[in-house]
Amino acid sequence: QSVLTQPPSVSAAPGQKVTISCSGSSFNIGLNYVSWYQHLPGTAPKLLIYDNDKRPSGIPDRFSGSTSGASATLGITGLQTGDEADYYCGTWDSSLSAGVFGGGTKLTVL
Amino acid sequence: QITLKESGPTLVKPTQTLTLTCNFSGFSLSPSGEAVGWIRQPPGKALEWLALIYWDDDQRYNPSLRSRLIITKDTTKDQVVLTMTNMDPMDTGTYYCAHASQLLRYAFDIWGQGTLVTVSS
Repeated sequence: QSVLTQPPSVSAAPGQKVTISCSGSSFNIGLNYVSWYQHLPGTAPKLLIYDNDKRPSGIPDRFSGSTSGASATLGITGLQTGDEADYYCGTWDSSLSAGVFGGGTKLTVL
Repeated sequence: QITLKESGPTLVKPTQTLTLTCNFSGFSLSPSGEAVGWIRQPPGKALEWLALIYWDDDQRYNPSLRSRLIITKDTTKDQVVLTMTNMDPMDTGTYYCAHASQLLRYAFDIWGQGTLVTVSS
């Protein structure tokens, strides 16, 4: 049971937009910075978003992040088949004094 | 360019101790602001945060695994070592080490390729 709650799966058509939610608490998302990762099978996870809404260099602006209270959202526009992957949110939990990840969301581009 | 690479046994027996080494380059754990973490993924399951060590030797652990984990660093060798005791088949999975820095609010920006560890007798 993950500390952060994500929907198990989302889907959308190519070219469309999708959002992935990440729900936490006042001890984690409500207090600390959120990051998002893309994980393709057999590869290392890739950082998409850090500091709630910032993109590392090389990450296209099709990917966006936002937070509100104890929740965070990853948005992906202009969906491509190459975006099919598992997506994870992560943050620090001040009550646990440790990092935490969400349970992951599988994105299917129909 | 920052790179990290995990190494260690691919097969361990139940109750044994696992020792994984993360060799990194492109940064140092000596200056302030840098950190290296360990994350694992059991087959078909989600990522699980295990441990983190900061440049100042501050160590943080997943509370549910705290009694079994030790993370250490060797700045002369640019290595971080994770030790996990009393291994169980449930610990089977891919283990990653990753770089984090204060600049990116300690998000894991660069990951190693991962190493698959199987726990079986």
